[in-house]
Amino acid sequence: GNSVTQMEGPVTLSEEAFLTINCTYTATGYPSLFWYVQYPGEGLQLLLKATKADDKGSNKGFEATYRKETTSFHLEKGSVQVSDSAVYFCALRLNTGTASKLTFGTGTRLQVTL
Amino acid sequence: KAGVTQTPRYLIKTRGQQVTLSCSPISGHRSVSWYQQTPGQGLQFLFEYFSETQRNKGNFPGRFSGRQFSNSRSEMNVSTLELGDSALYLCASSLTPTAADTQYFGPGTRLTVL
Repeated sequence: GNSVTQMEGPVTLSEEAFLTINCTYTATGYPSLFWYVQYPGEGLQLLLKATKADDKGSNKGFEATYRKETTSFHLEKGSVQVSDSAVYFCALRLNTGTASKLTFGTGTRLQVTL
Repeated sequence: KAGVTQTPRYLIKTRGQQVTLSCSPISGHRSVSWYQQTPGQGLQFLFEYFSETQRNKGNFPGRFSGRQFSNSRSEMNVSTLELGDSALYLCASSLTPTAADTQYFGPGTRLTVL
């Protein structure tokens, strides 16, 4: 079946440090890939997405490139802020017949300290 | 444009009761999906509706059911509640069920079963 694997957290970084959160996927077909972020007590917010190989999604300084050859969609940010502290979810969505669903990774908690 | 809204935000029920959760999608969105989020199981897919038809269903018992109305609003129902049903229930909407369409999430309904 389809699955998403994320690096285990928590990830603790100092402000202005470089961030990488690894994400790899397994899918029968060509999925669209997403990163969502969840702040405490809230729902999921879309951070960025890519719908085909070699696409780069970017938003708020975060970037991720759809790498079909390595089945990866790693999230990066050059300089994190305390306000980036949250849980980050990698997800894929694949058309199956007449519907599609999001399949999520387990989430990676990021804590940024001063 | 208003986001996805979910009501109620918090619910406390006792075992054996039933509960109905409501979701109003973003205006113009016709696809609605439901997910359950728990610390142990993470984010799991419940159902997906499009044009009042259930297009996809996750691996949950028959106690979990849902429907979609002609205005795209959706409800999910859980009967004979169990302690393990305590979770954050998230609704997401997208224009269509196509994989490339982004699913936008509501704030969730926090259900506690005592």
